[in-house]
Amino acid sequence: QVQLVESGGDLVKPGGSLKLSCAASGFTFRDYYMSWIRQAPGKGLEWISYISSTGSTKYYSDSVKGRFTISRDNAENSLYLQLKSLRAEDTAVYYCARVGQSGSSHFDNWGQGTLVIVSS
Amino acid sequence: DIQMTQSPSTLSASVGDRVTISCRASQSINNWLAWYQQRPGKAPKLLIYKASTLESGVPSRFSGSGSGTEFTLTISSLQPEDFATYHCQHYHGYPWTFGQGTRVEIK
Repeated sequence: QVQLVESGGDLVKPGGSLKLSCAASGFTFRDYYMSWIRQAPGKGLEWISYISSTGSTKYYSDSVKGRFTISRDNAENSLYLQLKSLRAEDTAVYYCARVGQSGSSHFDNWGQGTLVIVSS
Repeated sequence: DIQMTQSPSTLSASVGDRVTISCRASQSINNWLAWYQQRPGKAPKLLIYKASTLESGVPSRFSGSGSGTEFTLTISSLQPEDFATYHCQHYHGYPWTFGQGTRVEIK
């Protein structure tokens, strides 16, 4: 079955950096687009980044553009999110999600999330 | 950016009730809309995509309808496991955005 397992969340100081990972299994990773979505404590969901199956196309929300970088390693079945210049408002649970196929870009599978806390 | 507005924010209902949640887009998104269920402390789970297509394995008491700017998620007979928060999300151009969520609580 499809499994997505995030890791790398931690407590980090404002201005700091962190790299999140998402290990994928149970499907042909290289065939799928992937995304990162986050959820601040007690808040709604916020899509933050997308990457195409080959990694050639990437999109970011305005809130993270220029600070976060999405990447993937299809040989390792892994998705990454590099976070830099972190702010208190980046505190959230970060989910990786698989983008559905059949011409519809919904998120059909999600990981369990990894918590990033930005605080001094 | 396209804004997604859900109503109500909180809904109190009893087991067996028919429940309807609305989601409005600030501009037409055709039928590029998904609904997710999120239980406390858990990741969201896909229920509906393309506005009305039921995800495999999701009970048939869940249904979605609408197109353009107005969409609805209906639970025909609320079950105990359905008490959760529901999110709509559009994927008609970037950035993809979510509604603020609707919490379904026990009356």
